[in-house]
Amino acid sequence: GAGVSQTPSNKVTEKGKYVELRCDPISGHTALYWYRQSLGQGPEFLIYFQGTGAADDSGLPNDRFFAVRPEGSVSTLKIQRTERGDSAVYLCASSLYGPSSNEQYFGPGTRLTVT
Amino acid sequence: RKEVEQDPGPFNVPEGATVAFNCTYSNSASQSFFWYRQDCRKEPKLLMSVYSSGNEDGRFTAQLNRASQYISLLIRDSKLSDSATYLCVVNMGSNTGKLIFGQGTTLQVKP
Repeated sequence: GAGVSQTPSNKVTEKGKYVELRCDPISGHTALYWYRQSLGQGPEFLIYFQGTGAADDSGLPNDRFFAVRPEGSVSTLKIQRTERGDSAVYLCASSLYGPSSNEQYFGPGTRLTVT
Repeated sequence: RKEVEQDPGPFNVPEGATVAFNCTYSNSASQSFFWYRQDCRKEPKLLMSVYSSGNEDGRFTAQLNRASQYISLLIRDSKLSDSATYLCVVNMGSNTGKLIFGQGTTLQVKP
């Protein structure tokens, strides 16, 4: 079946601009996660959704970052006033039931470059 | 101190070699543990979960020492296709899906 998909695969934007990154989880997965991975580092947790609600947003670095999942399926990560330090690969993952379901399936990521 | 620490390597080994990776974690409340594999410019994929009793999956053996807060991965009879980055991953508990990743250890298997 289809895995987690993310669009766009690459995004180049200028400093100060607004960007939206989209994640389409595996059908039927109730839990959705966003991570950010910088070069040479492991993924860093940003936010976790259970259904439509953000169950844990402790990883969002500041208030320029916001994520929504209005219908409990597709999620959008929104970054305002982008900075060069936001450049990274943004990974989305989903799992069937949430924290008790061990395996998180990752999408291919969106590579964001802020110039 | 990082929450999950790994030696980034790279580990360069010949085909057929046995190689071991280690990882330490700082939070004693951590509840579940995993090894993920990540190929260059690809997404991480679950390799195996790690249980207190130790577990094996083919050529791969994972072990957990809760007292020392230490996790290991052993790969026997290395194949060229094992070349990748291996990420040590910790989950803090049942109320959060937050996975904490180590930096990753890079393995290069040479013919």
